[in-house]
Amino acid sequence: GAGVSQSPSNKVTEKGKDVELRCDPISGHTALYWYRQSLGQGLEFLIYFQGNSAPDKSGLPSDRFSAERTGGSVSTLTIQRTQQEDSAVYLCASSLGLASGELFFGEGSRLTVL
Amino acid sequence: AQSVTQLGSHVSVSEGALVLLRCNYSSSVPPYLFWYVQYPNQGLQLLLKYTSAATLVKGINGFEAEFKKSETSFHLTKPSAHMSDAAEYFCAVSASSNDYKLSFGAGTTVTVRA
Repeated sequence: GAGVSQSPSNKVTEKGKDVELRCDPISGHTALYWYRQSLGQGLEFLIYFQGNSAPDKSGLPSDRFSAERTGGSVSTLTIQRTQQEDSAVYLCASSLGLASGELFFGEGSRLTVL
Repeated sequence: AQSVTQLGSHVSVSEGALVLLRCNYSSSVPPYLFWYVQYPNQGLQLLLKYTSAATLVKGINGFEAEFKKSETSFHLTKPSAHMSDAAEYFCAVSASSNDYKLSFGAGTTVTVRA
């Protein structure tokens, strides 16, 4: 596609429910990243994919968080048993391999856990 | 490990005035430094990047930044602010061109007064 597409753009859920956030990167971009943006804070790195593999999952906050990428394209970030502290904007970015920091970001998925 | 600190979470300038956004970095190796901008309801986009070539880097929309090793700084400037510059600006650092993990600052929100 023309840009990085994320869905849903907004998600309100109840504490304890599972949520799935989807990212469709720019076509041909092999690297895909998930970041979390909380109010008043910078972007927190969550996970990085090169192709379908995730060499670095160190940023995932807990074992309730998981992500996968299939076909070297679409990625899904899953949060199980959501907690109020999970409320944030989840940003996805893609790049042409390791492109010297030029990441192309989606508009984000805003998650609110009640 | 690399990190950046952005001084001032909010900056207000008059239209036509100088925009100065401060960023200081901490890095154990010569860093790669970036400024990203996030307009309302949009994803982040790259403004400019420093990759050890010229210390004065020019970016899009009239912005530039100067790498000063002695001050460990990478401040962003624009001589004359425009209303369209109202946005949130993020400084980021990585250890090399092949470092997939960008570390972002907390961001500075710029408002432009008519």
